[in-house]
Amino acid sequence: SQTIHQWPATLVQPVGSPLSLECTVEGTSNPNLYWYRQAAGRGLQLLFYSVGIGQISSEVPQNLSASRPQDRQFILSSKKLLLSDSGFYLCAWSVRRQETQYFGPGTRLLVL
Amino acid sequence: GEDVEQSLFLSVREGDSSVINCTYTDSSSTYLYWYKQEPGAGLQLLTYIFSNMDMKQDQRLTVLLNKKDKHLSLRIADTQTGDSAIYFCAPRAGGNQGGKLIFGQGTELSVKP
Repeated sequence: SQTIHQWPATLVQPVGSPLSLECTVEGTSNPNLYWYRQAAGRGLQLLFYSVGIGQISSEVPQNLSASRPQDRQFILSSKKLLLSDSGFYLCAWSVRRQETQYFGPGTRLLVL
Repeated sequence: GEDVEQSLFLSVREGDSSVINCTYTDSSSTYLYWYKQEPGAGLQLLTYIFSNMDMKQDQRLTVLLNKKDKHLSLRIADTQTGDSAIYFCAPRAGGNQGGKLIFGQGTELSVKP
């Protein structure tokens, strides 16, 4: 069966520091991968999605970036964190050309 | 852009039915999902409906879709305290948008014993 992992589970970082969040999927090949952010207001916002290695689409311009160095690995990065980057970051995957997205356990980021 | 609206809160008594409503704007949505989020956790897929269906039943869950009015509802029969969570309606964006889901603010369901 397929599983999705996110690391770390919780992170506290100072403003201006770099960020790297990792998402990995097991048990499937060539998945579509997604990064969402859930702010305190509860709604989820799609940040990036990827349909293959090295292929990244950005939904919202900001100081975050994403990379997909391997088929089942999706990384969310920042060179300098802002206070507004605090939130709950969720990674999701779907089978290529199918619709349903499955979410990981999330990473809670607090920027101080 | 696309939008999804849900009531923020719903409170029911254990054993009653819960009905969570959702309205959306994207008439080209082909799949419409319901996710459940417990405190501090990720989103758990509950069920979904394809846009050419009016109703889908899955054990205690019933999804109704009124495509003309762009209205989606989730009914939970015999609601239990373990159903307390935030429920998200998430239509899939139409067109070539890579499977993007449009989320509302979610409805927080509180089940009282």
